[in-house]
Amino acid sequence: AQRVTQPEKLLSVFKGAPVELKCNYSYSGSPELFWYVQYSRQRLQLLLRHISRESIKGFTADLNKGETSFHLKKPFAQEEDSAMYYCALSGLGNDMRFGAGTRLTVKP
Amino acid sequence: GAGVSQSPRYKVAKRGQDVALRCDPISGHVSLFWYQQALGQGPEFLTYFQNEAQLDKSGLPSDRFFAERPEGSVSTLKIQRTQQEDSAVYLCASSLIPRVLKGADTQYFGPGTRLTVL
Repeated sequence: AQRVTQPEKLLSVFKGAPVELKCNYSYSGSPELFWYVQYSRQRLQLLLRHISRESIKGFTADLNKGETSFHLKKPFAQEEDSAMYYCALSGLGNDMRFGAGTRLTVKP
Repeated sequence: GAGVSQSPRYKVAKRGQDVALRCDPISGHVSLFWYQQALGQGPEFLTYFQNEAQLDKSGLPSDRFFAERPEGSVSTLKIQRTQQEDSAVYLCASSLIPRVLKGADTQYFGPGTRLTVL
C-alpha cells in the first residue's frame, strides 16, 4: 500500500533561517513525488515534482529511495513562504496520495 | 485564463439530504479528479475521469457517492442521504493529459466546496 507521512503538523522558523519539511513514503515500486502548497485563502497548487529536479521559489527536494524520503528544503526562509505544504505520491494507479500536511510559519 | 471552478463554495445540508457538487475544469483538460479533504488531513482521492469515462472510482467511500462527467467537461459529484461523516472540503482537479502519461501531468485544483452536514 502506498502511504505518505509528514511527521510535523506545525513548523515554525525565523525569517532567514533554513527550513526542512519532512516527507517519508511507503511504496513498493518507483513512485513520482510532488510537493503541493496552499497559501492563505488560495487554492492548492503544485510547487515542485521530483522528476523535474528543479528549484522553485528557492525550494528544492531530493528523492532518496534508500530512505524513502522526499524532504523539502530552503536555505533561507521568507515570510511569504508561510503556507500549508503537502507531500504527494503517485504510483501506477490513478490516485494521488497526499500526506496530512505541514503548516509552515515564518516569523519576522 | 480561467482556472478550475467549483460550485457551490459552501453547502450546508441536513443529514439525509442529497447534494450535488459541480466542477468546471480548465477547458480542454482531459483528466478530472475528485478528492475529499477532511479537517486537518490531506486530500483523499475519490475518483478519476478521462474525458467522459470514469476510469477509477476506487476511492468513493460508499455507494452513496456518485460522480459523472457526461460530456467530458463539467463534472458533478453527488452524495445521497448525506451523513455527518461526509462533512469535508471536496476538491476537484484537472490536468491536460491522460493519467497514463505519468510524469508530465500537473493537476490544477479548484477552490473546493466545503460541505457541512448537520
